[in-house]
Amino acid sequence: QQQVKQSPQSLIVQKGGISIINCAYENTAFDYFPWYQQFPGKGPALLIAIRPDVSEKKEGRFTISFNKSAKQFSLHIMDSQPGDSATYFCAARYNFNKFYFGSGTKLNVKP
Amino acid sequence: DSGVTQTPKHLITATGQRVTLRCSPRSGDLSVYWYQQSLDQGLQFLIQYYNGEERAKGNILERFSAQQFPDLHSELNLSSLELGDSALYFCASSLGLSGGTDTQYFGPGTRLTVL
Repeated sequence: QQQVKQSPQSLIVQKGGISIINCAYENTAFDYFPWYQQFPGKGPALLIAIRPDVSEKKEGRFTISFNKSAKQFSLHIMDSQPGDSATYFCAARYNFNKFYFGSGTKLNVKP
Repeated sequence: DSGVTQTPKHLITATGQRVTLRCSPRSGDLSVYWYQQSLDQGLQFLIQYYNGEERAKGNILERFSAQQFPDLHSELNLSSLELGDSALYFCASSLGLSGGTDTQYFGPGTRLTVL
């Protein structure tokens, strides 16, 4: 049973475009929603995170939009760059310590 | 470099065998998490330790066990290995209990291949 559903599985965006990755969840007890970026051969690294009492959080070119009623959240990467090409994972935290990850989105930003 | 170290980087073994994966957390971090990343299951949380004590359990098989030692390094033991255990195993560390927005720092992973 997938606790967090992520889409799309892969994404191709032109340099300068907007990359959008979506996640959905069912468990309303999740209390923290981080996004991770993973480059080949490396471990995931925290990119940006949001709590469910906030509808949007922006850090540089990265924005999380959070819709509590729809139980959905998304990552927007503005002005996408080739260096952003990586796999992105959404996650949700339960009971302070258990993290459930989405299946990942492989982003390819074309120059 | 996240500051989390994992050894070995690669491990090749046979079915039925037992292996131990090692993780050293970032200096000052008390929590250690173990994750399994496979192609079909994605990234799955296995278990968490805080200052030597088990604090949370995820989808960890009974054949797997872990512990955190007084110097805070952690070991993940995998026994009676099966082909399906082939995966990347990540360790992550954080400062505390993640009750707030404690950042997890991931190590580079150990790639386990079971033949």
